[in-house]
Amino acid sequence: AQSVTQPDIHITVSEGASLELRCNYSYGATPYLFWYVQSPGQGLQLLLKYFSGDTLVQGIKGFEAEFKRSQSSFNLRKPSVHWSDAAEYFCAVYDMRFGAGTRLTVKP
Amino acid sequence: DGGITQSPKYLFRKEGQNVTLSCEQNLNHDAMYWYRQDPGQGLRLIYYSQIVNDFQKGDIAEGYSVSREKKESFPLTVTSAQKNPTAFYLCASSQGQGAHEQYFGPGTRLTVT
Repeated sequence: AQSVTQPDIHITVSEGASLELRCNYSYGATPYLFWYVQSPGQGLQLLLKYFSGDTLVQGIKGFEAEFKRSQSSFNLRKPSVHWSDAAEYFCAVYDMRFGAGTRLTVKP
Repeated sequence: DGGITQSPKYLFRKEGQNVTLSCEQNLNHDAMYWYRQDPGQGLRLIYYSQIVNDFQKGDIAEGYSVSREKKESFPLTVTSAQKNPTAFYLCASSQGQGAHEQYFGPGTRLTVT
C-alpha cells in the first residue's frame, strides 16, 4: 500500500537559516508527489509537485524539492527561511495519501 | 473568484445529533474529497468522489455519509455513529485522481459535546 512518512513532527529554525523537511514514501512505481503548506486553522496550499522528468522541482515562495528514487525520498528545501514560513507542511503521494505533517517554527 | 467554500467555519453540536458539513466548488472539478484532521495525525481520507452520483469510502468512512448529486457540491454528514466526531474537516477538489493537485477549502471545525 502507498504510504508517506514525515519523520520530523516539529522543526525549529532561525530566520535566515536554511531548511530541509524530510519525506519518505512507499510505493512500487514512481509516484506523483506533492508538498502542501497549511497555516493555522486554514486549508492547504500546494507548494510544488513532481510527476516525472527533472528530479529537482521548483515551487512557490522560494521552495524546492528533490526526488531521489534510490532513497524513496522527496525532501523539501528552502535556502533562507522567513518568519512567514512558520506553518505546517504536508507531503503527499498521489492525491489522497498524506504524511502526518511537520510543524515549522521560525525563531527571530 | 474560483475556489472551494466550506460552511460554517465553526460548528457545535450535542452528542447524538447528526450534522451536515457543506462543501461547494466552482472550479468545474470532477473529483472531490473529504478529510479529517486531528493533531499529529495529518489528513485522513473519509470519502471521495470521482464523478457525480458516485463516491467511494476512504480510510475512515465509518460514522460518515456523503452524497454527490451535483458536480459542485459534496456534503458530508457526521452521524451519531461516529465515536469521536470533534475534529477539523477539510474538503478538497481536483480535476481528476492521481496526477492532479488538490484545491482545499478553509475547513470546518466541528465540536461535539
